Amino acid sequence: GESVGLHLPTLSVQEGDNSIINCAYSNSASDYFIWYKQESGKGPQFIIDIRSNMDKRQGQRVTVLLNKTVKHLSLQIAATQPGDSAVYFCAETSGGNKLVFGAGTILRVKS
Amino acid sequence: DAGVIQSPRHEVTEMGQEVTLRCKPISGHNSLFWYRQTMMRGLELLIYFNNNVPIDDSGMPEDRFSAKMPNASFSTLKIQPSEPRDSAVYFCASSFPTGGDTQYFGPGTRLTVL
Repeated sequence: GESVGLHLPTLSVQEGDNSIINCAYSNSASDYFIWYKQESGKGPQFIIDIRSNMDKRQGQRVTVLLNKTVKHLSLQIAATQPGDSAVYFCAETSGGNKLVFGAGTILRVKS
Repeated sequence: DAGVIQSPRHEVTEMGQEVTLRCKPISGHNSLFWYRQTMMRGLELLIYFNNNVPIDDSGMPEDRFSAKMPNASFSTLKIQPSEPRDSAVYFCASSFPTGGDTQYFGPGTRLTVL
C-alpha cells in the first residue's frame, strides 16, 4: 500500500553559511520554548531554550528568536558545519512538565 | 555524568509477545517521560511521572501499554501483547523541574514487532 508519513521540511545549506530554522506555535499561553537536535539513531539533544519574557537568546553559534506577537520561533545557526546535519525540533510548554513538539525540520549541510 | 540510560537499544519480537523497555533517569531528576517516535506521527508523549507518580497517561495508546516507576531511578514501559503497529523508537526523558522544564532524552529503544 501507499506509504504515508510526516513530510518534514528540508533546509539545505552550504557549509559555512548561516542557517535559519523556523517554527510556528499555536498556544498563546506557552511560556517556555526549547530547540532540540536529533541525529540519526540518537535521541533528541537539547540545544537552547528561551522563556517568553525574552525575545532573543544566544548560545555558542546558535541564536533563538521568539516573536510572541505572531507566535513564531526561529533557530539561527552561524557558520553551519557538516556536523549540524540533523532533524531540528522546537518544543513548547505552558507550564508544568508537558512539552509539545513540532514535526521537525531536516537540515542538510552540503560540503 | 551519565545521561538517561535505556535498555535494550534494539528489540525484535514477534506479534503477541510481551515487551519490556527500561529506563534509568538522570540522578536527581524527579520527572520521567516516555515518548514514541514514528515516521507517521512524529514524537508523541505517552506518559509522564513526577516523583514516581503517573501524572498524565493520556498518550498511552491502549490498554496493551502500561508503565511503572517503582522508584526514582527506574521505570519500565510494557507492551502486552505486542503488535506490528507498535514498531517504533521509544524514548525515555527526564527533567528536574525546579531547574526548568528542559527534558534530557535517552538514546532510545528501537522496537520491531514482526
